[in-house]
Amino acid sequence: AQKVTQAQTEISVVEKEDVTLDCVYETRDTTYYLFWYKQPPSGELVFLIRRNSFDEQNEISGRYSWNFQKSTSSFNFTITASQVVDSAVYFCALTLNNAGNMLTFGGGTRLMVKP
Amino acid sequence: DGGITQSPKYLFRKEGQNVTLSCEQNLNHDAMYWYRQDPGQGLRLIYYSQIVNDFQKGDIAEGYSVSREKKESFPLTVTSAQKNPTAFYLCASSLRSLNTEAFFGQGTRLTVV
Repeated sequence: AQKVTQAQTEISVVEKEDVTLDCVYETRDTTYYLFWYKQPPSGELVFLIRRNSFDEQNEISGRYSWNFQKSTSSFNFTITASQVVDSAVYFCALTLNNAGNMLTFGGGTRLMVKP
Repeated sequence: DGGITQSPKYLFRKEGQNVTLSCEQNLNHDAMYWYRQDPGQGLRLIYYSQIVNDFQKGDIAEGYSVSREKKESFPLTVTSAQKNPTAFYLCASSLRSLNTEAFFGQGTRLTVV
């Protein structure tokens, strides 16, 4: 069975600080996909990134960046120069190859960015 | 606009009653999913359907039932057998088995009174 752990349940930062959200996963499969989703107060989950297990390149998208390290089974998410609008719950999730979106989620990290 | 619509947004149920949560999508996605979210926890998969007239149990299917008679619709019934139904329920859809991202609805918050 798969498992995703987000050890930080809540993080509070002041606007413009950088913040890293940790994600550690467990799976015996060699082919899998990792995701990050954002859940704003409105409730729906918003897709941020997908990464497959064979692609360890880090990715940057604006103020967001992701660090995937298979050696430590981690897929960490960094927000640079945080803004109040970044306040939300962030989920890391994993699915196996051909399992579609039968996702195994971490417990989520609530990020609060204060002005 | 394309998307997923869940209704109602809030639902109150008396103990012993069955209730049905609606989920409709116009994204032409084959696959649809139901997840349950409890306070301070991640989402857990209840049921999923990869094609019309077919669905499979997820990790926590006991006390729930679904149907998939149309591609656009995947209603979830919370039965009286579900011992602790108070939770936030999210419906999602995606292209079938391609590990692409899922699109989520805005959820239904169910409370047992």
